[in-house]
Amino acid sequence: AQTVTQSQPEMSVQEAETVTLSCTYDTSESDYYLFWYKQPPSRQMILVIRQEAYKQQNATENRFSVNFQKAAKSFSLKISDSQLGDAAMYFCLPTGANNLFFGTGTRLTVIP
Amino acid sequence: DADVTQTPRNRITKTGKRIMLECSQTKGHDRMYWYRQDPGLGLRLIYYSFDVKDINKGEISDGYSVSRQAQAKFSLSLESAIPNQTALYFCATSDHTDTQYFGPGTRLTVL
Repeated sequence: AQTVTQSQPEMSVQEAETVTLSCTYDTSESDYYLFWYKQPPSRQMILVIRQEAYKQQNATENRFSVNFQKAAKSFSLKISDSQLGDAAMYFCLPTGANNLFFGTGTRLTVIP
Repeated sequence: DADVTQTPRNRITKTGKRIMLECSQTKGHDRMYWYRQDPGLGLRLIYYSFDVKDINKGEISDGYSVSRQAQAKFSLSLESAIPNQTALYFCATSDHTDTQYFGPGTRLTVL
């Protein structure tokens, strides 16, 4: 079974600063996708960013970017210029082989 | 209108009752999923379906069953609900890139 580890249960960041959330995973697949989702208090699951494992270039979406290290099976999320609306639970999700295992999440607090 | 809808949004029931949660989607995706979320445990996969005739167990299928009535509809049943099935349940669809598109969730409480 695939395992996903988010080693930071809670993180905090000052508004306008940068924060990095970590995720490591274990998979035997060579071709797969990786995602970060956020879940604000509304409980809706919202896609933040997607990375294709076969691409060496790290994905970027506005203030969100990833550091994908395929050999190390590491997929971290960097949030730049943090905003109050970024406060949420963040979940890492690697996919592949018909298995979908979410990490246990990191709760991000943004301090005004 | 939302692309993925779930009914009901909230449900309180008693131990032993049969419960059905319904999911509909207008995204035209073949793949649909049911997850449950418990506090501190993230989301765990219950069942998934790649098309109407293809249904597969996920990580935690015991105590649950599903029905894929059409491409757009995927329902989850608890044949005899028990208190430890109290959780937040999400339906999702995906495209060929595995990108998950979630419904708003159903909060189920089993007393």
